[in-house]
Amino acid sequence: NAGVTQTPKFQVLKTGQSMTLQCAQDMNHNSMYWYRQDPGMGLRLIYYSASEGTTDKGEVPNGYNVSRLNKREFSLRLESAAPSQTSVYFCASSEGPVGNTEAFFGQGTRLTVV
Amino acid sequence: AQRVTQPEKLLSVFKGAPVELKCNYSYSGSPELFWYVQYSRQRLQLLLRHISRESIKGFTADLNKGETSFHLKKPFAQEEDSAMYYCALKAPDWGKFQFGAGTQVVVTP
Repeated sequence: NAGVTQTPKFQVLKTGQSMTLQCAQDMNHNSMYWYRQDPGMGLRLIYYSASEGTTDKGEVPNGYNVSRLNKREFSLRLESAAPSQTSVYFCASSEGPVGNTEAFFGQGTRLTVV
Repeated sequence: AQRVTQPEKLLSVFKGAPVELKCNYSYSGSPELFWYVQYSRQRLQLLLRHISRESIKGFTADLNKGETSFHLKKPFAQEEDSAMYYCALKAPDWGKFQFGAGTQVVVTP
């Protein structure tokens, strides 16, 4: 059982380049999340998908777009990367928006924008 | 708005000493609270949640609604407890997880 899988694990981009971070879960979860992790800032929510077909902005959505491709997959796109987007990105999923359901995390993508 | 505060960025303790990680939250209703742990360069994993009232790896946490706190405690720290710990809140009517800034725990022998 793989859980939540993210690709790639590492990426270096030049300023202005675009890329898509992929995330897939095999737990039949309804809700999926994208967070960024920065020192001293904890985890900040970028985008959230409560269920297939819906997406919602989180705390720091600027510079990002998402696609909930199907129930399993939730991708994060950087259209024009900036050095401020250097971070570790985590995808997560949970059974649903309601109830005491924990979030399961992927292994993270370490992104550097130069 | 929901907010989770972890006042300590770093806690350094000796092996065998007690450790307490503070977590305070702001939410007007009845939230669901969690503690997550992240070992060096690994994914976050659930340590415990308030509703289950269990002890995991010797850690416990009690929800104090009056003080809006959910502090994490362990009576005798071990070296393998060295990690980053995050307190998280999930509001039933919101669906998202709000995380604190995290506390780095370093246990020295």
